Amino acid sequence: GAGVSQSPRYKVAKRGQDVALRCDPISGHVSLFWYQQALGQGPEFLTYFQNEAQLDKSGLPSDRFFAERPEGSVSTLKIQRTQQEDSAVYLCASSLSYGDTQYFGPGTRLTVL
Amino acid sequence: AQSVSQHNHHVILSEAASLELGCNYSYGGTVNLFWYVQYPGQHLQLLLKYFSGDPLVKGIKGFEAEFIKSKFSFNLRKPSVQWSDTAEYFCVANSNSGYALNFGKGTSLLVTP
Repeated sequence: GAGVSQSPRYKVAKRGQDVALRCDPISGHVSLFWYQQALGQGPEFLTYFQNEAQLDKSGLPSDRFFAERPEGSVSTLKIQRTQQEDSAVYLCASSLSYGDTQYFGPGTRLTVL
Repeated sequence: AQSVSQHNHHVILSEAASLELGCNYSYGGTVNLFWYVQYPGQHLQLLLKYFSGDPLVKGIKGFEAEFIKSKFSFNLRKPSVQWSDTAEYFCVANSNSGYALNFGKGTSLLVTP
């Protein structure tokens, strides 16, 4: 079956621009996660959804970061007024339910100039 | 603080050599442990996982890992590597009551023909 998909795969933004990154989880997966992977580092947790409810956003680095999943399926991670330190690969993962194996998408590589 | 550390950032092996990648974790309470792999140009995928039971866990493609509680370690092994094992390997942990994955920094493995 189809895996987790993310779009765009690559995004270049000028400092100060807003960006929106999309994640399509595996159909039927209740849990959805966003992670940020800086160059040379492992992914770091950003936020967690169970269906449409955002249960944990403790990993979001600043109030410029906002995530939503309004219908409990597709999710969007929005970054306002991008800064150079926001440059990273943003990974989305989904799991069938709480505690199940997380399946990752290919990521969106964001470069802020 | 909860953390995962991987001993080597870069490993170069010849085909047929044996592989052992070190991983130590620092967690209070019950911990779940994983190894994820990212092949060049592909997304992160689960190699193996340990939740409880037999501390020797077998995964895909001939990989195995051993959970040694007294050493807080979860080392990955393969008796004979192939060129196709060239990839980035991540040791990952989460608490039994949690969901956010905590990644090590990763080990880049290059297998030469």
